[in-house]
Amino acid sequence: EVQLVESGGGLVQPGRSLRLSCTASGFTFGDYAMSWVRQAPGKGLEWVGFIRSKAYGGTTEYAASVKGRFTISRDDSKSIAYLQMNSLKTEDTAVYYCTRVGAVADFLDYWGQGTLVTVSS
Amino acid sequence: EIVMTQSPATLSVSPGERATLSCRASQSVSSNLAWYQQKPGQAPRLLIYGASTRATGIPARFSGSGSGTEFTLTISSLQSEDFAVYYCQQYNNWYTFGQGTKLEIK
Repeated sequence: EVQLVESGGGLVQPGRSLRLSCTASGFTFGDYAMSWVRQAPGKGLEWVGFIRSKAYGGTTEYAASVKGRFTISRDDSKSIAYLQMNSLKTEDTAVYYCTRVGAVADFLDYWGQGTLVTVSS
Repeated sequence: EIVMTQSPATLSVSPGERATLSCRASQSVSSNLAWYQQKPGQAPRLLIYGASTRATGIPARFSGSGSGTEFTLTISSLQSEDFAVYYCQQYNNWYTFGQGTKLEIK
């Protein structure tokens, strides 16, 4: 059974940093691209970014709203994806979901339960 | 950026009836379109990908159609567990989501 478990959320002041982790199980983690999606309270879904598998260079792409502030990385030996968030803003307050990118196309086939990040002074 | 527009924002339907949800893309996304269901307090769940292919374990009452810029999600006979928010998403050029359609009990 595919499982994605996010951790690391919490309350952080504007301008500070936070790192989220996504621990995967039930599949060969290194074979898949991984993506992060967020949802502000009471709002819709917003794609944050993704990281390709090592077979495709392990490169990353980001939404314009977070580019230059957020960094996605992965540790295939531990089956963990990370989201490093720097220079946080109040508008980054959201539930952050870790997702797996499908093998046959780039839809998001499995989602974690999410972790809440609150940016407030 | 490709803008995805869903309609209606809220749809009221009685159990057992058919529900039809629409999604429009600001430019062609070919068939690179997915639908997700989200219930309160839960993560989204993949329903449909490739505009019309049901994901693993999704009941046959869910069907998707369309290509290019116009897409439809149809739920043929609504069950109580189907009342939720539905999002479309294009993955032809990075990712963008529609704003969601809330399917509520009439």
